[in-house]
Amino acid sequence: QVQLVQSGAEVKKPGASVKVSCKASGYTFSSYYMHWVRQAPGQGLEWMGIINPSGGSTSYAQKLQGRITLTRDASTSTFYMDLSSLTSDDTAVYYCARKNSGDESTYMDVWGKGTTVTVSS
Amino acid sequence: SYELTQPPSVSVSPGQTARITCSGDAWPKRYAFWYQQKPGQAPVLVIYKDSERPSGIPERFSGSSSGTTVTLTISGVQAEDEADYYCQSADSIGLFHVVFGGGTKLTVL
Repeated sequence: QVQLVQSGAEVKKPGASVKVSCKASGYTFSSYYMHWVRQAPGQGLEWMGIINPSGGSTSYAQKLQGRITLTRDASTSTFYMDLSSLTSDDTAVYYCARKNSGDESTYMDVWGKGTTVTVSS
Repeated sequence: SYELTQPPSVSVSPGQTARITCSGDAWPKRYAFWYQQKPGQAPVLVIYKDSERPSGIPERFSGSSSGTTVTLTISGVQAEDEADYYCQSADSIGLFHVVFGGGTKLTVL
């Protein structure tokens, strides 16, 4: 079955960077884009960006431009989300979520379980 | 960038019908999608392309669209339906950019 397995919880200091991984299995890695979404404690969902596994092209939320980098490693079927210059506002659960097939719309049909990132001095 | 507005909360008794709305200028230009999120869990897609139901989602979940408002309807609400619900569309910036509504907490009385 389709699975997205994310890396474990992280605790970081303000100003540091964090890298979260998302290992995909159960489907053809190169056929589906991957979204990243985060959720601060008690808050709603916030879209962060998307990556094309074929070629690695990316598109980011304007709010995070300059701080976020999405990459992928096709040899291990793994996606990565790198966020730099962390502040307490980046404390959240970070999800990878597979984009649906096709180009006429975009939504998330399979989600990882989430990775908790805590930013604290 | 589109803005999607949901009521913060909706309450219904078991067996009744719950209607959760999402208003915004994304509709009707874009498709609507709905996610259910229970505490401590990842979101789950319950409606896609306005009114389609993924496999495994109960028939009591349905979606509709009218003008600048889309609606998630849960008929015969069960206790297990208590959760947060989020609407979503592609953003005006580009088809692969995403915007979410603020979420609605459904309480089953």
